[in-house]
Amino acid sequence: AQSVTQLGSHVSVSEGALVLLRCNYSSSVPPYLFWYVQYPNQGLQLLLKYTSAATLVKGINGFEAEFKKSETSFHLTKPSAHMSDAAEYFCAVREGDSSYKLIFGSGTRLLVRP
Amino acid sequence: GAGVSQSPSNKVTEKGKDVELRCDPISGHTALYWYRQRLGQGLEFLIYFQGNSAPDKSGLPSDRFSAERTGESVSTLTIQRTQQEDSAVYLCASMRLAGSYEQYFGPGTRLTVT
Repeated sequence: AQSVTQLGSHVSVSEGALVLLRCNYSSSVPPYLFWYVQYPNQGLQLLLKYTSAATLVKGINGFEAEFKKSETSFHLTKPSAHMSDAAEYFCAVREGDSSYKLIFGSGTRLLVRP
Repeated sequence: GAGVSQSPSNKVTEKGKDVELRCDPISGHTALYWYRQRLGQGLEFLIYFQGNSAPDKSGLPSDRFSAERTGESVSTLTIQRTQQEDSAVYLCASMRLAGSYEQYFGPGTRLTVT
């Protein structure tokens, strides 16, 4: 079965600094990987997804993630943090059966300091 | 078009009462998912509906939880004899089984059991 581990429940960066949110996965099949963002009291919004095409995936709001099979990682980065990036970020892997259900990590809360 | 909607947005109930949560998926989306998000945790899969197929109930935590969906429209998640550990945000997502296979999430229902 698939699983996802997100290292660091909280990450704090200064505005303008690099954002790095870590995600490692376990999958018995070629994985489909996702990053979602959740703003307070809102649902989840898809940031980007990896579907076995390019290993470097660009998403919305300047975020990108790189799929590294050898490291079973899919870390999320953004070169320069903005105050509006403060939110909870979830990494997810799609289950390998026909349900397409998502298996989520426990989330990382990003704090951006002025 | 309209996104996934859920009602109520907030529900406070007494321990032992039954509650019913509603999800209206995006029109044309044949797949529908319920997830639970406990405080400070990631999302846990509960149940999956796809058209007229038998639902995948593998994530339901106990027999107090049940869900129904009429055709490809509204779904209701029912929790009987609520317990304090049922307190969580319940998120619904819908997906079209074509194209990007992306799940679109509703804003969730925050359930508090007192």
